Amino acid sequence: GAGVSQSPRYKVAKRGQDVALRCDPISGHVSLFWYQQALGQGPEFLTYFQNEAQLDKSGLPSDRFFAERPEGSVSTLKIQRTQQEDSAVYLCASSWSGTSGRATDTQYFGPGTRLTVL
Amino acid sequence: TQLLEQSPQFLSIQEGENLTVYCNSSSVFSSLQWYRQEPGEGPVLLVTVVTGGEVKKLKRLTFQFGDARKDSSLHITAAQPGDTGLYLCAGGGSSASKIIFGSGTRLSIRP
Repeated sequence: GAGVSQSPRYKVAKRGQDVALRCDPISGHVSLFWYQQALGQGPEFLTYFQNEAQLDKSGLPSDRFFAERPEGSVSTLKIQRTQQEDSAVYLCASSWSGTSGRATDTQYFGPGTRLTVL
Repeated sequence: TQLLEQSPQFLSIQEGENLTVYCNSSSVFSSLQWYRQEPGEGPVLLVTVVTGGEVKKLKRLTFQFGDARKDSSLHITAAQPGDTGLYLCAGGGSSASKIIFGSGTRLSIRP
């Protein structure tokens, strides 16, 4: 596709439910990133994949959060036993290569999934 | 821990005015990026600055990277309503894969 897509765009869950958020990166992009953006804040890094390998998961807030990218393309972020503090926008981004901060490694962001936990 | 602080947090000005927003840190960054985010969308990269003292211009937007590579500024000349949005600075984190974002400056331009 032309850009990064995410689904669903909006998700309402009752506390304790499990949710799965999907990210379709730009075709051919090697790297995929997940971020969490709380209301009124900047995005916070959650995890990073290079192809199917999860190279950095240091930003995942608890063991209730799990991400996978089994075939090196589509990724799923799963949150088990959701809590109210999990309410946020979850952003996915992809780039050609894996190194952030280099002038040539632009991350392209999807529109995000807004998760509300009641 | 690397942190990026942005100021002001909110800014509302009249169309045609000039403005500057700031991004500061106590840490040195190899590069800094500026993004603009509109409601319901993801951030979109505006510019990356990599050299201390570097100045880049993008139409009415001027970006500067501090000499010590700890701070950056974004100056907008003759602001227009289309400039409205959340402006985020971001820098490389402790590992090559991580980007640290500031908390953002929410800009509103009144017609």
